[in-house]
Amino acid sequence: ETGVTQTPRHLVMGMTNKKSLKCEQHLGHNAMYWYKQSAKKPLELMFVYSLEERVENNSVPSRFSPECPNSSHLFLHLHTLQPEDSALYLCASSQEARVVGELFFGEGSRLTVL
Amino acid sequence: TQLLEQSPQFLSIQEGENLTVYCNSSSVFSSLQWYRQEPGEGPVLLVTVVTGGEVKKLKRLTFQFGDARKDSSLHITAAQPGDTGLYLCAGRPSGTYKYIFGTGTRLKVLA
Repeated sequence: ETGVTQTPRHLVMGMTNKKSLKCEQHLGHNAMYWYKQSAKKPLELMFVYSLEERVENNSVPSRFSPECPNSSHLFLHLHTLQPEDSALYLCASSQEARVVGELFFGEGSRLTVL
Repeated sequence: TQLLEQSPQFLSIQEGENLTVYCNSSSVFSSLQWYRQEPGEGPVLLVTVVTGGEVKKLKRLTFQFGDARKDSSLHITAAQPGDTGLYLCAGRPSGTYKYIFGTGTRLKVLA
């Protein structure tokens, strides 16, 4: 596989469930990102990881918990979410976090919270 | 908070027409990028501009970075149905790892 792969593509969960979103990049990049895309808001940056170290946390509620076990994998653990958390969650990677470069996005995970 | 406002929000035009999309901010950015996103996919990079006043051309697309590095424009000449999509500008504030995205312009080109 090439590029950035996200699973699952679609997820429906209740407010009391615990689930995880997975992102994998096959580009040899050192930086990975989580973004939230809602219908009525711009793409919102959630977290940035550089070589498995979190370097940006954009005031995201604690019900979202990221994990980066290595530079190729990024997870977003979800628990006790709210209906307003329903959105498209996009993962991206770039060569290096410190240098301006191209963001390569996955196709996203469409989350619905009931 | 650094915001990037795009205008227009929506644009529906006929094939062959020209159009310009604007991306404005009150903040200075070290660089600015333009992405296009199609339904069911993630955004894909079109261009990066890093110097104030810079103009870049990509076939029928012309990108300009403002002299003060606070704004940018995207001009499409002779639009085609394949240009349909969501156009997003993204800025990188100096000294951060963040890419902040604009509010988006949804373009539809009718055949």
